[in-house]
Amino acid sequence: AQSVTQLDSQVPVFEEAPVELRCNYSSSVSVYLFWYVQYPNQGLQLLLKYLSGSTLVKGINGFEAEFNKSQTSFHLRKPSVHISDTAEYFCAVRSGGSNYKLTFGKGTLLTVNP
Amino acid sequence: NAGVTQTPKFRILKIGQSMTLQCTQDMNHNYMYWYRQDPGMGLKLIYYSVGAGITDKGEVPNGYNVSRSTTEDFPLRLELAAPSQTSVYFCASRPGTSGSYEQYFGPGTRLTVT
Repeated sequence: AQSVTQLDSQVPVFEEAPVELRCNYSSSVSVYLFWYVQYPNQGLQLLLKYLSGSTLVKGINGFEAEFNKSQTSFHLRKPSVHISDTAEYFCAVRSGGSNYKLTFGKGTLLTVNP
Repeated sequence: NAGVTQTPKFRILKIGQSMTLQCTQDMNHNYMYWYRQDPGMGLKLIYYSVGAGITDKGEVPNGYNVSRSTTEDFPLRLELAAPSQTSVYFCASRPGTSGSYEQYFGPGTRLTVT
């Protein structure tokens, strides 16, 4: 069975600083990987996804993530954050053996301070 | 398109009461899902459906029931509410054809059982 570990439950940063949110997964088969964002009191929306091909994936709002198969990681990065990026971020994996389901990490709360 | 809609947005139940959380999608998606979100725990899958008339249990199905009589609707039923069911509930859907496996989320229902 697949699992997802988000290594930091909270990440505080100052505005315009770079940020990296870490995600590691475990799966014995090929994976599809996702990052979702949840703004306060809202549902989840997709930031970016890795299905195949280039290991560097670009998403919305200036975020990008890099798939590293040898380290089983899919870390999310942004070179310069804004106050409006304050939200909870979830990493999710869909393994090749499970057609229907995503497994989510526990989330990382990114707080951007002025 | 409205996407995935959920009603109600908020609800307070007394222990032992019953209620149905409504979920409707207008994207003609085959797959639908119910998750619960508890602080610091990420999202846990309660039930899912791969099409009208077909449902299956997720990770945490106890205390819940679902039905899928149409493609659009996937209601979640709580029969005897317990304080442990205090949570935020999200409905999601995705197309049935192979592709990105991205799930589209509703805005959530915040349920308190006292």
